[in-house]
Amino acid sequence: NAGVTQTPKFRVLKTGQSMTLLCAQDMNHEYMYWYRQDPGMGLRLIHYSVGEGTTAKGEVPDGYNVSRLKKQNFLLGLESAAPSQTSVYFCASSRPRGNNQPQHFGDGTRLSIL
Amino acid sequence: QKEVEQDPGPLSVPEGAIVSLNCTYSNSAFQYFMWYRQYSRKGPELLMYTYSSGNKEDGRFTAQVDKSSKYISLFIRDSQPSDSATYLCAMRGNYGQNFVFGPGTRLSVLP
Repeated sequence: NAGVTQTPKFRVLKTGQSMTLLCAQDMNHEYMYWYRQDPGMGLRLIHYSVGEGTTAKGEVPDGYNVSRLKKQNFLLGLESAAPSQTSVYFCASSRPRGNNQPQHFGDGTRLSIL
Repeated sequence: QKEVEQDPGPLSVPEGAIVSLNCTYSNSAFQYFMWYRQYSRKGPELLMYTYSSGNKEDGRFTAQVDKSSKYISLFIRDSQPSDSATYLCAMRGNYGQNFVFGPGTRLSVLP
């Protein structure tokens, strides 16, 4: 049982380049989330999705786009990478919030923007 | 002021010690509280969950919520080197809101 899988695990980009981070979950969860984790800042929510075909902005959405075309996948895109987007990105999934289910996290993507 | 605060540590204790990890928060609407453990270069994993005020115990771990003081704690008894990790608190209100995470406290348990 893989849980939440993130690819790639590590990437270095130059300023202005674009890339897509992929998150896949095999738990049939409705909700999926993208966070960034920076020293001293904790986990900050970028975007989230409450179901296939839906997305919503979180706390720090600027500079990112997301898509949820399939229930099991949640993609995070950086159209024009900036050094401020250097961070560790975590994807998570959960059952609907109404049941107060915990979030299950992947092991992160470490992204450096030069 | 951040909505959820944690002492970043690092906190170093000898094996067998009792550890107290704490979070303070400013939003009185928070009702659901969770503690996550995050090992180095891994994603967070749920450790404890509590609703509203009170205590909850699970093995060597006890979670405590004091809503009147806007303060939550995680106690670890008989700490082990395998408990060395970063501990994140997370909390949210009662109306399907997203969780807000604290910045985490790094704990080292020395053999």
